Amino acid sequence: ETGVTQTPRHLVMGMTNKKSLKCEQHLGHNAMYWYKQSAKKPLELMFVYNFKEQTENNSVPSRFSPECPNSSHLFLHLHTLQPEDSALYLCASSQDLRLQAEKLFFGSGTQLSVL
Amino acid sequence: GENVGLHLPTLSVQEGDNSIINCAYSNSASDYFIWYKQESGKGPQFIIDIRSNMDKRQGQRVTVLLNKTVKHLSLQIAATQPGDSAVYFCAENIEGYQKVTFGTGTKLQVIP
Repeated sequence: ETGVTQTPRHLVMGMTNKKSLKCEQHLGHNAMYWYKQSAKKPLELMFVYNFKEQTENNSVPSRFSPECPNSSHLFLHLHTLQPEDSALYLCASSQDLRLQAEKLFFGSGTQLSVL
Repeated sequence: GENVGLHLPTLSVQEGDNSIINCAYSNSASDYFIWYKQESGKGPQFIIDIRSNMDKRQGQRVTVLLNKTVKHLSLQIAATQPGDSAVYFCAENIEGYQKVTFGTGTKLQVIP
């Protein structure tokens, strides 16, 4: 276990549905991230939060809406998604964005299929 | 744009042999490099990292080599085991920038 838990593990949704992905980290980290992993493409950074404040929005469409109520929890709210949004969504955490560059701890991801 | 890429998409290695996974990067300003391992159904897991002031770093059965002159990174796995079968990603970062760039990954297949 990496200390980062994501739910659900799998999600199938229609284009008109609204769903949320949840991430929780038990590592005492202050920075949390959402990444998108599509087949045969590099991991794409979506959002970064540091001490609950969003510090990065990597030109993500507004149909993806992140929420970070505290340093341990991160959500990704989904609405009116497109089939091309089908991918593995990974949550990660790291100690602190203010410190020197360091490794990320990833959850197991949510495999999302949009029909 | 900047690019972090891997030379081979798939590498097959006999169990017990050594594995070498290569990675090229193009941003000469990158000063922190990480290797991640991703097993089926799991998220990427940190293996080893190296900062640009070093050429080599060793862990348990793994060694990372950094050649800044040609902007090349490699991961060596000694005595490869079936449990090493996974996709391996290299990633680069710039100190203070906190935006990790990942490569597309190399799939390592261990032949029993």
